[in-house]
Amino acid sequence: LAKTTQPISMDSYEGQEVNITCSHNNIATNDYITWYQQFPSQGPRFIIQGYKTKVTNEVASLFIPADRKSSTLSLPRVSLSDTAVYYCLVGERYGGATNKLIFGTGTLLAVQP
Amino acid sequence: DAGVIQSPRHEVTEMGQEVTLRCKPISGHNSLFWYRQTMMRGLELLIYFNNNVPIDDSGMPEDRFSAKMPNASFSTLKIQPSEPRDSAVYFCASSAQGAGELFFGEGSRLTVL
Repeated sequence: LAKTTQPISMDSYEGQEVNITCSHNNIATNDYITWYQQFPSQGPRFIIQGYKTKVTNEVASLFIPADRKSSTLSLPRVSLSDTAVYYCLVGERYGGATNKLIFGTGTLLAVQP
Repeated sequence: DAGVIQSPRHEVTEMGQEVTLRCKPISGHNSLFWYRQTMMRGLELLIYFNNNVPIDDSGMPEDRFSAKMPNASFSTLKIQPSEPRDSAVYFCASSAQGAGELFFGEGSRLTVL
């Protein structure tokens, strides 16, 4: 199972772009990279998923280099409500015996006015 | 769509008592996951099911913990006997096989005195 490494915390100000990088040196060929967001007293919520290059949705962008050993979640123009813990996971996208989705320690993003 | 439904939301019990946590996954989802979250250990995967069959329970801490999924719309996580160190938030999540996105419930906060 690929293990992920993220910064424990990050600080930002409203309106700034925030980039959170995750290392996953042992990522397997069939693994996808998925990011989740968790607010206090709530379950994690899916943000974005990708396999390689770049993926963008209405919330964030995900940049994955060619070797796939890392990924960067980009949040454009953050607001106070983006203060949360962000988790990076790697695992097979399709269910089965190896679909074991392990959460790392996550990155606590604190957005200030 | 009701989402993943967990009950109870909060439970306070005394050491030695039996605790049963319940989960109703999203209709049509084939995979179900039980996670435990504490400040010290973060989000830990306890067990997951595919098509009602337990696939990997290596995260279950000890024999006091057991999980069942008698049908596609219901799962339980039981702790017997409970201990203070079991105090945590227990999350249930489900996914549609092939989608790769986990949908989490709001969690069950357990306090064992």
